[in-house]
Amino acid sequence: GAVVSQHPSRVICKSGTSVKIECRSLDFQATTMFWYRQFPKQSLMLMATSNEGSKATYEQGVEKDKFLINHASLTLSTLTVTSAHPEDSSFYICSASRGNENTEAFFGQGTRLTVV
Amino acid sequence: GESVGLHLPTLSVQEGDNSIINCAYSNSASDYFIWYKQESGKGPQFIIDIRSNMDKRQGQRVTVLLNKTVKHLSLQIAATQPGDSAVYFCAENTNSGGSNYKLTFGKGTLLTVNP
Repeated sequence: GAVVSQHPSRVICKSGTSVKIECRSLDFQATTMFWYRQFPKQSLMLMATSNEGSKATYEQGVEKDKFLINHASLTLSTLTVTSAHPEDSSFYICSASRGNENTEAFFGQGTRLTVV
Repeated sequence: GESVGLHLPTLSVQEGDNSIINCAYSNSASDYFIWYKQESGKGPQFIIDIRSNMDKRQGQRVTVLLNKTVKHLSLQIAATQPGDSAVYFCAENTNSGGSNYKLTFGKGTLLTVNP
């Protein structure tokens, strides 16, 4: 099956610093990757859709300058949380699909970000 | 906007019983639905999917039913086991323009299996 690897799985950072989270498709080429945020006991909220070689499409209410997304290759997308604050503490999850198709997306294991 | 929702936030069953988790969706144009299982601290895990040209699909111990008339999905788990304890989400693949799609998740149901 298709494997998506997310790194790191946990990160603690100081308020005001930036944190980068990586999402890699290990055995397939991911034209499209998605970034989600999940608060405790809540559902996954889509933050942005990342297409290889183009700018990410952000959902309404998500600050693009706060959450920088780069999808430089067909196997890697990164999410950088800039100038992190405690309210940015959350579980961030990426997923990847093989193309712009109406098909299954494969999820990473998530990154627990804690800003202190 | 349109969204996917769940009727039951929690469900507690005895080991060996069958479980049924329900989901209502509101986007009548959606034609692809997926059920995910999420264990604590992990990403969602694919369980089963169904397209709108079907009303039932079976996997190993799981069955998904789709009723397009009332826009309702259900996930049935047979002979529920303690390892099935998790949060279950239904997700709807929505066209976001052109040939692009994005997943919209329901609220989730916490399934607890008692030994």
